[in-house]
Amino acid sequence: KNEVEQSPQNLTAQEGEFITINCSYSVGISALHWLQQHPGGGIVSLFMLSSGKKKHGRLIATINIQEKHSSLHITASHPRDSAVYICAVRSDKLIFGTGTRLQVFP
Amino acid sequence: DAGVTQSPTHLIKTRGQQVTLRCSPKSGHDTVSWYQQALGQGPQFIFQYYEEEERQRGNFPDRFSGHQFPNYSSELNVNALLLGDSALYLCASSLPGQNNSPLHFGNGTRLTVT
Repeated sequence: KNEVEQSPQNLTAQEGEFITINCSYSVGISALHWLQQHPGGGIVSLFMLSSGKKKHGRLIATINIQEKHSSLHITASHPRDSAVYICAVRSDKLIFGTGTRLQVFP
Repeated sequence: DAGVTQSPTHLIKTRGQQVTLRCSPKSGHDTVSWYQQALGQGPQFIFQYYEEEERQRGNFPDRFSGHQFPNYSSELNVNALLLGDSALYLCASSLPGQNNSPLHFGNGTRLTVT
């Protein structure tokens, strides 16, 4: 069993839909990161969380330390949100999930 | 202010050859980490360099080695290449001595081993 599990693996949505991506982990962590990876390969850091909730524009990230679970929400999704979203946790090292591939259609 | 830069962007090598990948960290960052990302998978931690020394290592064989220079730039070397080494190699830099700082990644080097 992977130490970081993401769901769903693939997600398609119509423009404007509300999207949720989930991340569960099984190790003790000091922080959790949500990352966005576009087809070219470059990775952009969206959030770093150790507790509670953060919001940036249409993106919201939450974490529940007791349940070892985090969610990334995208409100009013847009085709430019199409990318792979990766959850990574910091324990003794950085451990990545396998990513959620999101496609948003106009 | 340049972010993390990696070179080359793409590389094709033959089995058994050796390869060197390069990374320049974001200005002000002194810690560099390397990751391997196979197609369809999440990145896997290779190792981290700080103060010109390897500080942490993931589950990769000794064929994978690295170096950090006084200007904080770093190299990843892979010897005796295998087909399975084909992947996107990502470099990330972070602030001095801070493991829990936001991550800054380069665009990666895509290595194909034939």
